[in-house]
Amino acid sequence: GQQVMQIPQYQHVQEGEDFTTYCNSSTTLSNIQWYKQRPGGHPVFLIQLVKSGEVKKQKRLTFQFGEAKKNSSLHITATQTTDVGTYFCAGSPNDYKLSFGAGTTVTVRA
Amino acid sequence: DAGVTQSPTHLIKTRGQHVTLRCSPISGHKSVSWYQQVLGQGPQFIFQYYEKEERGRGNFPDRFSARQFPNYSSELNVNALLLGDSALYLCASSLTGDGYTFGSGTRLTVV
Repeated sequence: GQQVMQIPQYQHVQEGEDFTTYCNSSTTLSNIQWYKQRPGGHPVFLIQLVKSGEVKKQKRLTFQFGEAKKNSSLHITATQTTDVGTYFCAGSPNDYKLSFGAGTTVTVRA
Repeated sequence: DAGVTQSPTHLIKTRGQHVTLRCSPISGHKSVSWYQQVLGQGPQFIFQYYEKEERGRGNFPDRFSARQFPNYSSELNVNALLLGDSALYLCASSLTGDGYTFGSGTRLTVV
């Protein structure tokens, strides 16, 4: 079955630094979605990418969908303490049955 | 507008018992999905319902079942509970599939 892998599993970042988390699928995806889950909370939708090579920005967050629609990345610039949490990518070959990666858990050193 | 609401928030059950979890989607959302999230892992897809019809099922045993009602609310039922069923059960609704809104979840502990 479809598998979505995320690396790194943990990201310890100094406040103000940049980092990137990567997502790879074993199959071609119709779309990729990114979610953020704060400790003790539930996943919150951040963005969806649909087109091959698509790049979208949300303030300090930049999301990219690979040309082959099998990989994606999330880049955060100037990390802040509010960025703490686990970031999940979720992909699907159709319009449902999202497969989530294991997530990248981000901690920030002030 | 209320978000996705789930009940109960916490539940403790004994092995072998059954449990029913409930979810009310955002008003107007006809799609409801259920996910299981074990600590330290990403959510795992269990079911999706759209207009009361099952659209998809994940790799879960037949002990797991669900249904969607005419008002689009949904129930997830789990029979013959095992210790390994302890997890956070998340319900998510969507208008078009372009992003899902999750509820706060039901924390199920099986002892």
